[in-house]
Amino acid sequence: SAVISQKPSRDICQRGTSLTIQCQVDSQVTMMFWYRQQPGQSLTLIATANQGSEATYESGFVIDKFPISRPNLTFSTLTVSNMSPEDSSIYLCTLREAGRSTEAFFGQGTRLTVV
Amino acid sequence: AQSVAQPEDQVNVAEGNPLTVKCTYSVSGNPYLFWYVQYPNRGLQFLLKYITGDNLVKGSYGFEAEFNKSQTSFHLKKPSALVSDSALYFCAVRDADDYKLSFGAGTTVTVRA
Repeated sequence: SAVISQKPSRDICQRGTSLTIQCQVDSQVTMMFWYRQQPGQSLTLIATANQGSEATYESGFVIDKFPISRPNLTFSTLTVSNMSPEDSSIYLCTLREAGRSTEAFFGQGTRLTVV
Repeated sequence: AQSVAQPEDQVNVAEGNPLTVKCTYSVSGNPYLFWYVQYPNRGLQFLLKYITGDNLVKGSYGFEAEFNKSQTSFHLKKPSALVSDSALYFCAVRDADDYKLSFGAGTTVTVRA
């Protein structure tokens, strides 16, 4: 299975600032996704990161707040913009390897605390 | 629409006893079902999946799960729990023709020595 590296692993940020989270995969993958796990909650899909085009956002998530880039088949970034304490969550990058597996593989996640 | 229900927030068992974590699902098409485990300060680790075939699937660390189509359930089981199995467990489902995963709320398993 692909190996996912996510940076940073954790951060404490001031409200009103932005943080960019990086996700690097060691092989080319078809689909990459970003999830959010709020404290004590389950995982919620933020968006699908599309290579070479704009991300596809789920209901409740917008590009201005969570801009996503995917410049190639092995790398994606998620930015959490104009942060507030409500953005304190674990953000997880995940992928599916088309044609080889049906399950999703997750990175270690980024634990974000906004103060 | 698809959804997952994990009716128990917490499950507590003694080491050596059987462990069961319940999951029911709803999906419009054919279900792909998954179990993931999350240890403190760690990402999600894949445990096992049901795609098709035998209703009893075996996964990592001695875990297994049984797919029951009539009851739309996919309960996770382990015959003899270990203290190291203490973690947060998530059930997930997606339609076979879709890529979006829906997760349950999670069940915290505590295995006491």
